[in-house]
Amino acid sequence: EAGVTQFPSHSVIEKGQTVTLRCDPISGHDNLYWYRRVMGKEIKFLLHFVKESKQDESGMPNNRFLAERTGGTYSTLKVQPAELEDSGVYFCASSQQENTEAFFGQGTRLTVV
Amino acid sequence: QQQVKQSPQSLIVQKGGISIINCAYENTAFDYFPWYQQFPGKGPALLIAIRPDVSEKKEGRFTISFNKSAKQFSLHIMDSQPGDSATYFCAASKTGGYNKLIFGAGTRLAVHP
Repeated sequence: EAGVTQFPSHSVIEKGQTVTLRCDPISGHDNLYWYRRVMGKEIKFLLHFVKESKQDESGMPNNRFLAERTGGTYSTLKVQPAELEDSGVYFCASSQQENTEAFFGQGTRLTVV
Repeated sequence: QQQVKQSPQSLIVQKGGISIINCAYENTAFDYFPWYQQFPGKGPALLIAIRPDVSEKKEGRFTISFNKSAKQFSLHIMDSQPGDSATYFCAASKTGGYNKLIFGAGTRLAVHP
């Protein structure tokens, strides 16, 4: 069974540009989470989808970040326009139920220059 | 405000030794305390977890010790092996937000042969 898959693995963009990260959860997992780790600091929660609905987006840093999960399958996280402080590793995770183990993808390393 | 504080940042242990990583939390509402292991290029993977109704949980060479009154918990890796070299994250969450994890900053463990 395929795990959580994230695309791309790495992205280098210039400040002011737009970047879209994609996450394909484990098939059948209704719950999808986005996290971010900035420069060796703690991994921080961004938001939680249940199917296509945003259950909790309290961790989204600002309105330059837009997450979607159309159809309740894969999810995208768009950063527009990107700023230097957005650099970091973005992780996606999915779980079958809200109270079952979440499995993480390998992450997307975003570098804004 | 960092709700889960993890130490040390890095740790070097000789093969066969004991690795100890400590975490402290602030929010007494937390009731789930997992440890994640992350290898380079991979996402965090659940290693072992504990709830505050027990003071210790052991799985193979990995043990979590939990001190509710001190609001501290630790990971002990017995007979550490070079294959244990990875980054370890402690985390905490509460009922209703099981996978809305608050992570520590991580400990980079190197086990030397």
